[in-house]
Amino acid sequence: GQQVMQIPQYQHVQEGEDFTTYCNSSTTLSNIQWYKQRPGGHPVFLIQLVKSGEVKKQKRLTFQFGEAKKNSSLHITATQTTDVGTYFCAGPGGTSYGKLTFGQGTILTVHP
Amino acid sequence: EAGVVQSPRYKIIEKKQPVAFWCNPISGHNTLYWYLQNLGQGPELLIRYENEEAVDDSQLPKDRFSAERLKGVDSTLKIQPAELGDSAVYLCASSSDGQTDTQYFGPGTRLTVL
Repeated sequence: GQQVMQIPQYQHVQEGEDFTTYCNSSTTLSNIQWYKQRPGGHPVFLIQLVKSGEVKKQKRLTFQFGEAKKNSSLHITATQTTDVGTYFCAGPGGTSYGKLTFGQGTILTVHP
Repeated sequence: EAGVVQSPRYKIIEKKQPVAFWCNPISGHNTLYWYLQNLGQGPELLIRYENEEAVDDSQLPKDRFSAERLKGVDSTLKIQPAELGDSAVYLCASSSDGQTDTQYFGPGTRLTVL
């Protein structure tokens, strides 16, 4: 079945440093979504990318969808302590509707 | 707009006991999902409903797990009997019909089986 893999599993940064997490799918995706889960919280939707090569920005967060629609990245510029949490990518397989496969997440720790 | 509501938030039971979780999705969302999340892992889909129909329950361990969404709104997930390995967070999510698969998660129920 479809697999979605994320690296790194953990990332520790000093406040102000940049952070990047990478997501790779074993199959071509119709779209990719990113979620953030704060410690003790639940996943919260951040963004969805649909087009090949698409780049979207949300303030200090930059999301990119690969040309082959099998990989994606999330980059945070100048991290803040509020960025702490686990970042998940998730994707449906092919043109599948409604079912998401989540990566295992990247746990981000930001040291003040 | 109210979010996805789940109860209880926490549940501690002894093994072999039954347990049930309840979910109320966002108003107007026809699609409802139950996920299991183990510590340090991403959510794993257990079952997906479109209105009252279970359209994907391939990952639901049917020997002990059951779910229902009788009127196409609220849903319950039941485990009977619970095993030690069932300790996890059970998340409910909902999404609207349309072009996007964006899912909105509830706060989850943290189950501890002793």
